[in-house]
Amino acid sequence: DVKVTQSSRYLVKRTGEKVFLECVQDMDHENMFWYRQDPGLGLRLIYFSYDVKMKEKGDIPEGYSVSREKKERFSLILESASTNQTSMYLCASSLFLGGAGREQYFGPGTRLTVT
Amino acid sequence: DQQVKQNSPSLSVQEGRISILNCDYTNSMFDYFLWYKKYPAEGPTFLISISSIKDKNEDGRFTVFLNKSAKHLSLHIVPSQPGDSAVYFCAAIVGGGADGLTFGKGTHLIIQP
Repeated sequence: DVKVTQSSRYLVKRTGEKVFLECVQDMDHENMFWYRQDPGLGLRLIYFSYDVKMKEKGDIPEGYSVSREKKERFSLILESASTNQTSMYLCASSLFLGGAGREQYFGPGTRLTVT
Repeated sequence: DQQVKQNSPSLSVQEGRISILNCDYTNSMFDYFLWYKKYPAEGPTFLISISSIKDKNEDGRFTVFLNKSAKHLSLHIVPSQPGDSAVYFCAAIVGGGADGLTFGKGTHLIIQP
């Protein structure tokens, strides 16, 4: 079974702090993704990575950056947290981007509150 | 501009009956569709997928139907069980997946005893 883990289930940070969210997958997947989920808006893609050190912007990258130094690890960074970044953050991984095997497997999520 | 739409925010179904969740899409470039189930405070769990070259895919109690001409897909759960109560997300992806998954806003399925 694919396992995607996230470093924290709950985080509370202050406005202006730098925040790191870590994600690790154990299935040697090429692709990793960061989403946020907000009520009434569904899941929205922030960034994804298709290889080590490679990244692509998703639909809502503003205020975020990412880092992928190792294949199994993908980090989301909030450079200066703001209250509108209070959300549930979900990490996912997939084997392929095309053809079969595009299913994305999600971690349990990190509920971030910025005060 | 929502490319994947789930127009029913919630659906209530009696235990043992069929649950039908609907999803419409606008982007004709989507070629792979997925359904996810999500419990509160957990990440989405992949349920079932279908390629655009098929019109039906079945896995146990779950069947997904795709009508490409209508740009519509549906998830059927038969029979519905109490553990099926969750939020269901429809998602779609373009071949190559350079944009990741595009999700609908979800339908909250409630199974009544």
